[in-house]
Amino acid sequence: EVQLVQSGVEVKKPGESLTISCKASGYNFTSYWITWVRQMPGKGLEWMGRLDPRDSYTKYSPSFQGHVTISADKSISTAYLQWSSLKASDTAIYYCARDFKSFDYWGQGTLVVVSS
Amino acid sequence: ETVLTQSPGTLSLSPGERATLSCRASQSVSSSYLTWYQQKPGQAPRVLIYGASRRATGIPDRFSGSGSGTEFTLIISRLEPEDFAVYYCQQYGNSVFTFGPGTRVDIK
Repeated sequence: EVQLVQSGVEVKKPGESLTISCKASGYNFTSYWITWVRQMPGKGLEWMGRLDPRDSYTKYSPSFQGHVTISADKSISTAYLQWSSLKASDTAIYYCARDFKSFDYWGQGTLVVVSS
Repeated sequence: ETVLTQSPGTLSLSPGERATLSCRASQSVSSSYLTWYQQKPGQAPRVLIYGASRRATGIPDRFSGSGSGTEFTLIISRLEPEDFAVYYCQQYGNSVFTFGPGTRVDIK
């Protein structure tokens, strides 16, 4: 059974750094890209970027380029989404998904709250 | 970047009725890369239709997708209580994905 299990709720202050994770199981991790999607409170879905686990090649949405870093450790079938300095506007649910031109399996989402 | 527009923003219907959701692209989209998702409150989205018209595994046949170029449609032939949700279209082109703003289907 394909599963993507994300790390838990994070409550952070502006300026802090953060890394959230997405652990894949039930399939060959290197056979599919991993994508990250943001959903701000009460809003729609926004594609952030994607990573090819074979070589960690990444492609970012222009809206998120330079604001986040996507990485992976294929030895443990885990992808990461990282911020070096959070802002209040980063408050959202972040989803990872298995990516093959459509997103067929999704993680449960990680709620990130950034508040002073 | 290809912008997707969905209409209507909200569709108020009764169970058993037919729902027609529209997704319009600012430039031509490959049908291979047009996808529809359903999202219920508190849940992750799930894929309904990929390749514009192919139902994903386990999706009931009351859901159908069609269209090409810049105009795509999702039809729910007879709404079941569990179909009241938000629906997003998505496209992939020039190495980026974009989502539409969503159509909310709620109970009339």
